[in-house]
Amino acid sequence: AQKITQTQPGMFVQEKEAVTLDCTYDTSDQSYGLFWYKQPSSGEMIFLIYQGSYDEQNATEGRYSLNFQKARKSANLVISASQLGDSAMYFCAMREVNNAGNMLTFGGGTRLMVKP
Amino acid sequence: DTAVSQTPKYLVTQMGNDKSIKCEQNLGHDTMYWYKQDSKKFLKIMFSYNNKELIINETVPNRFSPKSPDKAHLNLHINSLELGDSAVYFCASSQGYRGEQFFGPGTRLTVL
Repeated sequence: AQKITQTQPGMFVQEKEAVTLDCTYDTSDQSYGLFWYKQPSSGEMIFLIYQGSYDEQNATEGRYSLNFQKARKSANLVISASQLGDSAMYFCAMREVNNAGNMLTFGGGTRLMVKP
Repeated sequence: DTAVSQTPKYLVTQMGNDKSIKCEQNLGHDTMYWYKQDSKKFLKIMFSYNNKELIINETVPNRFSPKSPDKAHLNLHINSLELGDSAVYFCASSQGYRGEQFFGPGTRLTVL
């Protein structure tokens, strides 16, 4: 079974609008971490935001926020006021505390395209 | 200053050859990783290396071996290259429980 599922292979959003990228996860651990990374067409992986399973507040970093719903096992990324430079692949990832080696498991990604 | 660097950026080689990709981080992190991203953009962990402890993803063929001369470097050696090894390989590093990983720019390997 997939541990991280991103159900939207591709999405369009109008510039300056907000967009939500979905991520659901599967774990039996009580302690885990969730990450979002951005991969623009140039290929590098850019860390965006982190949410710990025990964090009571939803994480925010500038225009990025994470809508964390623990009971639903979802960690959706919200990008406010989309910009053309936000066009990229977005990956959700999870680190489980019982995962030896601190390894991340990634979802299949969502390609976001921002329309001018 | 580049936090995580990889060389080379592109690597084109023939099937059956042995090649290496170098990775260096100047963040003072204690854990380094190698990931493989296939043509469908799927990212998969290959190795995690921390204080001389190597954790290997069980699906990685033993033709792949990481070598760490010191805490700031984790090189990837690949023997007897196969067509299916063509991919982008990312090095990453992290420090601490939170596990925020910083990635290198990637190395695109093409096996002909």
